[in-house]
Amino acid sequence: SQTIHQWPATLVQPVGSPLSLECTVEGTSNPNLYWYRQAAGRGLQLLFYSVGIGQISSEVPQNLSASRPQDRQFILSSKKLLLSDSGFYLCAGGGQGNTGELFFGEGSRLTVL
Amino acid sequence: QKEVEQNSGPLSVPEGAIASLNCTYSDRGSQSFFWYRQYSGKSPELIMFIYSNGDKEDGRFTAQLNKASQYVSLLIRDSQPSDSATYLCAVSKGSQGNLIFGKGTKLSVKP
Repeated sequence: SQTIHQWPATLVQPVGSPLSLECTVEGTSNPNLYWYRQAAGRGLQLLFYSVGIGQISSEVPQNLSASRPQDRQFILSSKKLLLSDSGFYLCAGGGQGNTGELFFGEGSRLTVL
Repeated sequence: QKEVEQNSGPLSVPEGAIASLNCTYSDRGSQSFFWYRQYSGKSPELIMFIYSNGDKEDGRFTAQLNKASQYVSLLIRDSQPSDSATYLCAVSKGSQGNLIFGKGTKLSVKP
């Protein structure tokens, strides 16, 4: 089964600063990859998904972007953070095959001050 | 109408009782249904998936699906304090469909 690694686990950033969250996958090749955000008291919101290198689909227009420079690497970025970007960011892999379940990384908790 | 709806809870049950968690979805084209457990501050972990009408059992957990009623449920038998967590229902349209999550139901199992 696949394993998803995310870092950093926690970070506190000032408004207007840049952001880079990284996700890597082990145990599978050509995975579908996803970035979700979970804000306090809210559900999981799909931000981006990727079905292959360089292929990014955005679900929600915002000041975030995603890139997939390698098959097992997925990066979430921002040039200038907003207060509303605070939340728990989750990278997930899977979504393929007959079952289509997702496996999540450990998550990155972002606080924007 | 929200795509996947769950009662936010908290749902409180005594240790040893059956906990019943419910979920409804709006898209009749949905094909796969998932239950995730999320402990506070942690990432979601998959408990079960189901895609055929009826019941599916795995240990103390039973998932129930009724596509005609657009309803999915999760039963936890012999509930333990360690089952206290938020349970997320997720729905997808197929093998390449993205998962849509409900907001989750918080379960508290009292010793």
